[in-house]
Formats: sequence, C-alpha cells, structure tokens
Amino acid sequence: NAGVTQTPKFQVLKTGQSMTLQCAQDMNHEYMSWYRQDPGMGLRLIHYSVGAGITDQGEVPNGYNVSRSTTEDFPLRLLSAAPSQTSVYFCASTPASGRPNEQFFGPGTRLTVL
Amino acid sequence: GDSVTQMEGPVTLSEEACLTINCTYTATGYPSLFWYVQYPGEGLQLLLKATKADDKGSNKGFEATYRKETTSFHLEKGSVQVSDSAVYFCALSEGNAGNMLTFGGGTRLMVKP
Repeated sequence: NAGVTQTPKFQVLKTGQSMTLQCAQDMNHEYMSWYRQDPGMGLRLIHYSVGAGITDQGEVPNGYNVSRSTTEDFPLRLLSAAPSQTSVYFCASTPASGRPNEQFFGPGTRLTVL
Repeated sequence: GDSVTQMEGPVTLSEEACLTINCTYTATGYPSLFWYVQYPGEGLQLLLKATKADDKGSNKGFEATYRKETTSFHLEKGSVQVSDSAVYFCALSEGNAGNMLTFGGGTRLMVKP
C-alpha cells in the first residue's frame, strides 16, 4: 500500500492563478479531508468528505473547492490563488468504522503564492 | 466550539532529560484525544491516543493520561533522545461525521546530544 499520496510536493503560484492539489489513497477509506498548516496555528480543516459524492466545509473553506467522484481521490482546487493561501497542505484519510480512528496523513504540499 | 491549547515552543532539552508538553482542551461532549508527531519534512503520524477519561495512551516511551477533571492530556517521556526532535500536536475528535480533528498549535521539541 502506498497509503496517502499527494502531488505536487512544492508549488509556486502567482496571485490569481488556479491549480489543483491532488490527493489519493489506496486503503479504501471512506473519510478524506484537507487541512492547511500555518505556523503557530496547528492544522485547520478546509473541507472533508464522508464518501464518494459527499463533501462538506470545514473551518476555513473560503477560496477552495473540492469534489469526490471516487473513493480513492479527493482533489483540492484553488480557484484564484491569494498570498493568504501560502501554506502547507495535508490530505488525510480514515476508515468510517470503529471510531475514533487514526487519521493517515499524506506528506504534504508546500504552496507559495506570490 | 472545540479548541485545543498547547504550550508554545520551542522546547529545548538535553538528551536523557524528562519531557512534559502541556495540552488542555475545550469540547462540548466527550472527545477522544490524540498526540500526533511530525518529523522534519514529513506528514503527521499518530503517536498515541485515549478514548475516555482516565485512559492512558502510550507509545515509544511517550505517555499521556486523559484527565477529564482538568480537561488535560499532557505528553510525557522520562528520557528523550535526539531522534525525538520533532513537532508534537495535541488534537481531539468528537466522533462526528468524518472523524475530523481539532488541533492545537503544535510544540517544537529540540533535543541536543
């Protein structure tokens, strides 16, 4: 199992550009989520999904879109990048059964918006 | 809403020193509590967890006890090693749909030989 994979590892964007951060997991987990990590603020939840076709907003959803067409993939879209979106982004997955469960995190994508 | 407060770092210790990282929480129900560790350049890994009051989670020499009366989950280790240098995050989950986590701000630990 590859676990949770994320691409790219690093990305630099200009203000106003759009891009998609990719996330995939091969553990057949129902739940997937996106967090952003900023210094001194821990990780904050952006969006999450409890299954294919179902998504919901987290604590800081503005400026981001998600979709979940398959169990495996959960891409995060930045529609018009802003410097405030400079951060490290982590995708995570967890099975639905046997709560509470460990969340499995990907290696992260470091995004810089100029 | 839920929140988690951790002591600010960095915490700098010599090898074999004792470690305590404080964590307190606010939650509406009876959350599960977690400590995650992030090594340089990597994602987060679960270090230990506790699911109910008075439970003790332990792993790799680290321990934390779920204290409902003080709403705390302090991380302890009796003798730290250089390899323990990392960022430690305290987190809680109310078991809502998605098992989402609320994180503290993280505490950087630096262990010197």
